[in-house]
Amino acid sequence: AQSVTQPDIHITVSEGASLELRCNYSYGATPYLFWYVQSPGQGLQLLLKYFSGDTLVQGIKGFEAEFKRSQSSFNLRKPSVHWSDAAEYFCAVGPWGFGNEKLTFGTGTRLTIIP
Amino acid sequence: GAGVSQSPSNKVTEKGKDVELRCDPISGHTALYWYRQSLGQGLEFLIYFQGNSAPDKSGLPSDRFSAERTGGSVSTLTIQRTQQEDSAVYLCASSAPLAGVYEQYFGPGTRLTVT
Repeated sequence: AQSVTQPDIHITVSEGASLELRCNYSYGATPYLFWYVQSPGQGLQLLLKYFSGDTLVQGIKGFEAEFKRSQSSFNLRKPSVHWSDAAEYFCAVGPWGFGNEKLTFGTGTRLTIIP
Repeated sequence: GAGVSQSPSNKVTEKGKDVELRCDPISGHTALYWYRQSLGQGLEFLIYFQGNSAPDKSGLPSDRFSAERTGGSVSTLTIQRTQQEDSAVYLCASSAPLAGVYEQYFGPGTRLTVT
């Protein structure tokens, strides 16, 4: 069965500092990988996705993520965070070849930004 | 264009009552998903509809939960004889896999509180 682990429940970062959110997945084949962001009281918004090709993918709001097959990881990064980045971040995996079936989500990482 | 909409945004009900949650997907999206987000948990897949195919109900936690999708568009998630553990945010998402759009667009969710 597929699974996603986000080992950091809560991260606090100073505004302007760099950010890395960790995501490890377990999946028996080539996965589709996603990062979503959820602001308070809002639905989920897709930040970026990886299907194939270049393992470094760029997303919205200045985020990027790198797929590392050898480490089964898909970590999210941002070089300089803004106060508006405070939110909950979810990593998700879906079956390759479809990408539109049920996603398996991690438990999320809550990001707090301090001035 | 319009995104995924859900109603009601909040629902408070007494234990043992039935509730219906509604989802209006993005026009033209053939796939529709329901997820549940419990406090401190990630998103849990409930059910998936794709076109006229039989739905994937593998995530429904009990037979008190059911969902239907009428006319390939609007979907209703019904929870019968609600229990306190049903309290959660119920999220709906849609996607357009037949158009090669392999990402799910989420609605704002319905927050269900069972007292």
